[in-house]
Amino acid sequence: RKEVEQDPGPFNVPEGATVAFNCTYSNSASQSFFWYRQDCRKEPKLLMSVYSSGNEDGRFTAQLNRASQYISLLIRDSKLSDSATYLCVVNPRYNFNKFYFGSGTKLNVKP
Amino acid sequence: GAGVSQSPSNKVTEKGKDVELRCDPISGHTALYWYRQSLGQGLEFLIYFQGNSAPDKSGLPSDRFSAERTGGSVSTLTIQRTQQEDSAVYLCASSLGAGLTGANVLTFGAGSRLTVL
Repeated sequence: RKEVEQDPGPFNVPEGATVAFNCTYSNSASQSFFWYRQDCRKEPKLLMSVYSSGNEDGRFTAQLNRASQYISLLIRDSKLSDSATYLCVVNPRYNFNKFYFGSGTKLNVKP
Repeated sequence: GAGVSQSPSNKVTEKGKDVELRCDPISGHTALYWYRQSLGQGLEFLIYFQGNSAPDKSGLPSDRFSAERTGGSVSTLTIQRTQQEDSAVYLCASSLGAGLTGANVLTFGAGSRLTVL
């Protein structure tokens, strides 16, 4: 079983829509969680860290559910510029060296 | 520097040749990672350096791959006798240092796109 699993999509949504992605992780000892964004042929860039209490940054909200071992990303009022691949990243407590990347969820926001 | 710098940005080589890819991490970042991303695929961990500790080489796909980090800063990834399946984008990332609260956020360079003919 993979450490981190994501629905590859693509999610095709109209501008202004609300869209949510989930990501499941297999190791309950995971410590830190992140969402990265990767544009086509570009490097991944940190979108936001995910805190236990949940956190919001503008139109983006991240949630962590430790009991069910998943994290989520909610994007409200989608913009064309939100079109990208969203990578879920997990860092286990037992090995700070390791970052486990999901394979990404592709989002296409259409006019 | 202000960001993670990688060179070359693009490299085309012939099968069987050796290539060297360079990464200059953010100044002060003690942790440095190499990843590989093939077209349309996820990130594949290759190797990790943390300060003066022995590197974690567990992701290197074969003994044709090696990496070093001199002086705790610049790193070079070397691929010997390149094969067509080595074609990918090689991404370097750095962080302040694993194990430090709030310090284990990765910042990536723009990558080196390797094409083996």
